[in-house]
Amino acid sequence: DIQMTQSPSSLSASVGDRVTITCRASQTITSYLNWYQQKPGKAPKLLIYAASSLHSGVPSRFSGSGSGTDFTLTISSVQPEDLATYYCQQSYSISPYTFGQGTKLEIK
Amino acid sequence: QVQLQESGPGLVKPSETLSLTCTVSGGSISSYYWSWIRQPPGKGLEWIGYIYYSGNTNYNPSLKSRVTISVDTSKNQFSLNLSSVTAADTAVYYCARRSIFTAYSYYYAMDVWGQGTTVTVSS
Repeated sequence: DIQMTQSPSSLSASVGDRVTITCRASQTITSYLNWYQQKPGKAPKLLIYAASSLHSGVPSRFSGSGSGTDFTLTISSVQPEDLATYYCQQSYSISPYTFGQGTKLEIK
Repeated sequence: QVQLQESGPGLVKPSETLSLTCTVSGGSISSYYWSWIRQPPGKGLEWIGYIYYSGNTNYNPSLKSRVTISVDTSKNQFSLNLSSVTAADTAVYYCARRSIFTAYSYYYAMDVWGQGTTVTVSS
């Protein structure tokens, strides 16, 4: 299995802060990396696919970058509604698809 | 727009089979791959497997011996069976659509999710 490791596991930010979440794959996954946002008690929502492509309807303050094994999700100006846990997921290998352990974003 | 809804028992006894159905509304089940993902209480996401509308499947090797995913195109539904369950299978179970996106190549992501259904394994 391809292991996905996110850091940090949790972080706290103030409204307007710039936040960066890192995801590292145990082997190269080129750009087959997705990011999801899961708000408390809700299903995950797709934010970014192909490492850096913004999914339809996602605010432009979200952006993704990286390739190979190292990836980042950036929120340029955190908003109160960004309170959520963020997951990366690799779609390079379907046996199996794997997720990172999640990064919980709290708003100060 | 396409919506997914999971249904099935919320309580399953140990050693029995967990059975869930996902109903696709607002669109056809054809031409897409459909996944099951689960999330134990307070933990992260685990991909269980997927099925193509034609019936082709792919399962997580860690669960493969206990999992069966099937599709009923006439009802626009797909289903999950997980046998010999234990307390470790207690989780919120989500169904999701896997779509193909083009950006220099073909990329796959789960872009539509059901709301999830909680399944508890307990006697």
